[in-house]
Amino acid sequence: EVQLVESGGGLVQPGGSLRLSCAASGFSFSSYEMNWVRQAPGKGLEWLSYINNRGDKKDYIDSVRGRFTVSRDNTENSLHLQMNTLRAEDTAIYYCARGVGTAVTPKPYFDYWGQGTLVTVSS
Amino acid sequence: AIRLTQSPSSLSASTGDRVTITCRATQGVGSYLAWYQQKPGKAPKLLIYAASTLQSGVPSRFSGIGSGTDFTLTINCLQSEDFAIYYCQQYYSHPFAFGPGTTVDFK
Repeated sequence: EVQLVESGGGLVQPGGSLRLSCAASGFSFSSYEMNWVRQAPGKGLEWLSYINNRGDKKDYIDSVRGRFTVSRDNTENSLHLQMNTLRAEDTAIYYCARGVGTAVTPKPYFDYWGQGTLVTVSS
Repeated sequence: AIRLTQSPSSLSASTGDRVTITCRATQGVGSYLAWYQQKPGKAPKLLIYAASTLQSGVPSRFSGIGSGTDFTLTINCLQSEDFAIYYCQQYYSHPFAFGPGTTVDFK
């Protein structure tokens, strides 16, 4: 069974840092690209970042580029999001999501999501 | 960046109704459009990918159609467990974008 379990959320002051993790199990983690998506309280979904299966290609939404860094450890089946210079507007539930493509549609959609971890940025 | 709009933003329906939600992209995304369902306190759940392909395990009352910039999600014979928020998402190019969501609630 595919499982994604996020951890590392919590309360942090503006300007602070936090490192989120996503533990993957039930599939060949090193074969899949992974994504981070967040959802502010009462708001919609916002894609944040992607990392390819080898970890050598990454991309970010502009609002977090330069502040957030995605990484992965394929030996530990884990995905990480280092978040620096946090702002109040970064307050959200953060989800990791697996990207999967097919032979017919090779671009990856998100088939499995974790349960999310809450990050609150407040003084 | 490609942006998505959804209409309506919310709708009220009864069990047994047919519900249609539309999603429009500011640029063509081919068929790289997915639909997700989200219930309160839960992670989003994939319903449809490639605009019209039903994810394994999703009931056949859900269907999707479209390509390019205009897409539709239809729920036939709405069931009580279908009351939720529905999001479209383009995965054609970064930054991947989600629509603002459509809330389907009980009339």
